[in-house]
Amino acid sequence: GAGVSQTPSNKVTEKGKYVELRCDPISGHTALYWYRQSLGQGPEFLIYFQGTGAADDSGLPNDRFFAVRPEGSVSTLKIQRTERGDSAVYLCASALAENTEAFFGQGTRLTVV
Amino acid sequence: AQRVTQPEKLLSVFKGAPVELKCNYSYSGSPELFWYVQYSRQRLQLLLRHISRESIKGFTADLNKGETSFHLKKPFAQEEDSAMYYCALRGPKTIFGAGTRLFVKA
Repeated sequence: GAGVSQTPSNKVTEKGKYVELRCDPISGHTALYWYRQSLGQGPEFLIYFQGTGAADDSGLPNDRFFAVRPEGSVSTLKIQRTERGDSAVYLCASALAENTEAFFGQGTRLTVV
Repeated sequence: AQRVTQPEKLLSVFKGAPVELKCNYSYSGSPELFWYVQYSRQRLQLLLRHISRESIKGFTADLNKGETSFHLKKPFAQEEDSAMYYCALRGPKTIFGAGTRLFVKA
């Protein structure tokens, strides 16, 4: 596709459930970022991939959050035992390389009820 | 520690008036600063970066290391400038400010 694609666009889940959020980066982009944006706040860094490896996962809030990028393209953000405080818009961005312009997806709005 | 502060949550100006969106940062290293914009129902996109020293859509931003600021300015606001604006600082990771909503009134 022409841009970064995130699916689903909206996800409602019950507290305690497991969710997966998917990001399809722009083809050829080696850098991939996940951010979380709560209401009234700017994007908050979660994790950065360079290729298949997580180069920086220091933003993941706790061990309920995990992300993978097994083939260096599509990435999945996984949240276990969801809590109401996890409700936010989860943004993915990709870039040709580190320190080059990052292009954002439309985000996945996660609501935990 | 890295920090970005955008003191105004909302800025409302009339069309044709000058606009300045404030951004202050805290970072001990050599900062790389950006402005991102999000128009209604669109995705977040890069507006400009300080190293390019460019003007995009009439907007400019100058890095002032003495005041640790990177304010975004436009001499004559247009209605289509109405959007959310985020200042961002790239250090070990990219940190975003909380954003300022610019509303340009006709």
